[in-house]
Amino acid sequence: DIQMTQSPSTLSASVGDRVTITCRASQRINSWLAWYQQKPGKAPKLLIYKASILESGVSSRFSGSGSGTEFTLTISGLQPDDFATYYCQQYNTLYTFGQGTKLEIK
Amino acid sequence: QELLQESGPGLVKPSETLSLSCNVSGSSISSRSHYWGWVRQPPEKALEWIGTINYSGNIHTNPSLESRVTITADTSKNQFSLKLSSVTAADTAVYYCARHRVDWDLLRGGPFDHLGQGTHITVSS
Repeated sequence: DIQMTQSPSTLSASVGDRVTITCRASQRINSWLAWYQQKPGKAPKLLIYKASILESGVSSRFSGSGSGTEFTLTISGLQPDDFATYYCQQYNTLYTFGQGTKLEIK
Repeated sequence: QELLQESGPGLVKPSETLSLSCNVSGSSISSRSHYWGWVRQPPEKALEWIGTINYSGNIHTNPSLESRVTITADTSKNQFSLKLSSVTAADTAVYYCARHRVDWDLLRGGPFDHLGQGTHITVSS
C-alpha cells in the first residue's frame, strides 16, 4: 500500500501570508497526486490534480508542484476563505489520502 | 450541473450490514469519462477511500476493507450502491459518494472531481 504523509499537521498563518504544505509518498507515484480543500461539515473540493494542474474555477493563488515522492501545495496571499483543512491524495495505485493539514488563523 | 446524493439509514447496529445508495444526476454512470466511488471520514479524522466501480462494472476496493465491501451499479436508475458488512463502532463516519474523472494518460479513474454532501452513519446498539 502507498502511504501519504503530510506536514505540518497544523499550520497557523495570517491573512496575506504565503504558506506551503508538503506531502510525501511512501513510493514513487509519478505526478498522480491531487490536493483537496475541506471546510467543516462540507465535502472536500478538488483544487489541483496531476500534481500541478489547477482545477477549473479554482483561484490562481493555489499552486502545486512535485513529482515522484515529494509534493507541495502553496497558497499565496491567504484570504479568510482559505482557512480550512487540506488533503493530498495519490491515484497512482488505488487511492490513498494524506492525514490532512489544518490551516488556522494566527 | 452534476449532483450526487447519498441515501442511507443513519443508524446501524453492530454486526449488521450498512447499505448506502448514491443517486447521480447530470452525469451518466455508464459514461467512459468517469468512475464512481465511495469515501468516508470518521469524526475528526482523515478521508479514507472505500472503493470504486467503473462503467464496465470493474471494482477496486481498499485492501483494508475488501472482505466487507460490495459495490454495485444500476444503470437503469443511474445509481450506485455500497454495502459494508459486519459493521463496528469503527465504521461510524460521514460517507460520501464521489465521481472520479478519468485521466486519459492513466487510462483509469483519477481524482474525485465531485462529491455528494455526505451522509452521517452511526454504528450503535
